Amino acid sequence: DTGVSQDPRHKITKRGQNVTFRCDPISEHNRLYWYRQTLGQGPEFLTYFQNEAQLEKSRLLSDRFSAERPKGSFSTLEIQRTEQGDSAMYLCASSLTAGTHYGYTFGSGTRLTVV
Amino acid sequence: GESVGLHLPTLSVQEGDNSIINCAYSNSASDYFIWYKQESGKGPQFIIDIRSNMDKRQGQRVTVLLNKTVKHLSLQIAATQPGDSAVYFCAEKEVNSGYALNFGKGTSLLVTP
Repeated sequence: DTGVSQDPRHKITKRGQNVTFRCDPISEHNRLYWYRQTLGQGPEFLTYFQNEAQLEKSRLLSDRFSAERPKGSFSTLEIQRTEQGDSAMYLCASSLTAGTHYGYTFGSGTRLTVV
Repeated sequence: GESVGLHLPTLSVQEGDNSIINCAYSNSASDYFIWYKQESGKGPQFIIDIRSNMDKRQGQRVTVLLNKTVKHLSLQIAATQPGDSAVYFCAEKEVNSGYALNFGKGTSLLVTP
């Protein structure tokens, strides 16, 4: 297992288009998180899955955003009717339920540019 | 929510020197703290963590100090190397706040030869 994988690495889209990103977590990790990071800022939490259940959503996750984890493995994050303000790095992280710490393993992210 | 912040946005140190990166937090309910390193074009990488029942924890070349009285966290890197150049974030988690980590803005560490 090579860690958390995200696809694509970069996405350029026109305003108003829909985009979908994929995250493949570490295989034995049942917790999966999505974060958004804008330039010069720390990551901001978007949503959390435990197995296939979406247990927490940030108020940053507007109605245009939807995330799924249908089989408790990979996850997708879709943004509908993209806006320029959606331009950011979208990070996925995964972790184990049990453990000595809550530390996540992050993927390298998908950089979205809305033009 | 309450904020996690960093004292300095940038830090420049010479190779071989020790680095200290500071972080202030304001939420007294925070019970778990993590330091992450983020290199350009990559996701944050876990460095070291500490729980609120500890005041010091050491790793390989890194030490985290937690002062709950003044709500201050620091990351010390010994014998800083060029490969340590990155942005460093502290993150905290509150008791009973769910699953999200709350990140600060980050400090950019530049190691010069």
